[in-house]
Amino acid sequence: GQNIDQPTEMTATEGAIVQINCTYQTSGFNGLFWYQQHAGEAPTFLSYNVLDGLEEKGRFSSFLSRSKGYSYLLLKELQMKDSASYLCAVREGGSYIPTFGRGTSLIVHP
Amino acid sequence: EAGVAQSPRYKIIEKRQSVAFWCNPISGHATLYWYQQILGQGPKLLIQFQNNGVVDDSQLPKDRFSAERLKGVDSTLKIQPAKLEDSAVYLCASSPKGGNQETQYFGPGTRLLVL
Repeated sequence: GQNIDQPTEMTATEGAIVQINCTYQTSGFNGLFWYQQHAGEAPTFLSYNVLDGLEEKGRFSSFLSRSKGYSYLLLKELQMKDSASYLCAVREGGSYIPTFGRGTSLIVHP
Repeated sequence: EAGVAQSPRYKIIEKRQSVAFWCNPISGHATLYWYQQILGQGPKLLIQFQNNGVVDDSQLPKDRFSAERLKGVDSTLKIQPAKLEDSAVYLCASSPKGGNQETQYFGPGTRLLVL
């Protein structure tokens, strides 16, 4: 089984930078996903990490440290539309299916 | 490219009634997933299909939930009888082959309220 821990809620200011952390415990790591989910909508894929390091995609970056069981999602130049829930999902060895955390609700204010 | 389609978008039923949800995955996607997302929580996998075969249904409450994908394309998820705790959003997702690095594409979900 897996334990995935994320903060429940975060707030940030438009134009700022925010880092959303995710820690996990798993018996065999096989990849970590970040998804964005706006209220009332389906999750949409943001990033996938399987090796240590930083993956950058425009305003969004995702970092992974397998030895620490830790990942973060970094959002730069925040926009109001970034207000959403951010889901961390971890895949265990031998499975193709990720287990999702509870999600972090990000509120961006002017 | 059309996305994952689901219907209905919303459903309100009374406890002990039956309900069915329908999903049409992205064309050509072999793998289909049904998730349950309770308010304030992340999605929880109920069942995974590869073509028309079940790969994983370990978290499906089989006494009341059933799912099928008879022709390897569309899928239906049924709850019979429904309980109050089944109130949730039911998400369908698909991926091309279900491989190691594949992204899942989610549908808009069916929001179920059991009274």
